[in-house]
Amino acid sequence: GENVEQHPSTLSVQEGDSAVIKCTYSDSASNYFPWYKQELGKGPQLIIDIRSNVGEKKDQRIAVTLNKTAKHFSLHITETQPEDSAVYFCAASRGGGADGLTFGKGTHLIIQP
Amino acid sequence: KAGVTQTPRYLIKTRGQQVTLSCSPISGHRSVSWYQQTPGQGLQFLFEYFSETQRNKGNFPGRFSGRQFSNSRSEMNVSTLELGDSALYLCASSATSTSQETQYFGPGTRLLVL
Repeated sequence: GENVEQHPSTLSVQEGDSAVIKCTYSDSASNYFPWYKQELGKGPQLIIDIRSNVGEKKDQRIAVTLNKTAKHFSLHITETQPEDSAVYFCAASRGGGADGLTFGKGTHLIIQP
Repeated sequence: KAGVTQTPRYLIKTRGQQVTLSCSPISGHRSVSWYQQTPGQGLQFLFEYFSETQRNKGNFPGRFSGRQFSNSRSEMNVSTLELGDSALYLCASSATSTSQETQYFGPGTRLLVL
């Protein structure tokens, strides 16, 4: 089955700096890659997603890049703010059927004031 | 639109008991997926229901089961609880059954098994 590796497990950045979280996946048939943000006591919230026919997608301060050849995708957050502090999860799915999302183990992002 | 709701939010059970968790998807969504979240294993897919049919199942023992009703609400049941079943159980809904569809998560039910 699919295996998703996520790095780093903890990331501390100064407010205003950029943060990058990287994920690799094993199943070349995967074609949908969402990113979720989870705050304490809440369920994961989708922040951005990308499909395999696209190499990059941006939404204000957040961007995701996908390299299908290398089987890795990354989340970029620019101009970080205190409210960006949370746990971020990447996930992958083969699509085309109900096979669920395979998640990475998460990155705890800490924004230092 | 109201989001995904899950009840109860917190639950304490003892080993050997069984438990039923409930999930109401976003209005109009027909697919409901269940995930288990633990500090050690992270987020793991349990199963997905679409139009009252289980479409796929993750790698969990048969003690974990679920069902979906005609109004798309879903329940999951865990029988013969073990200490290792302590976790946050998350429900996610999506409009259709393709896993390329955005999944919206509820707040979860935190289960503690003593």
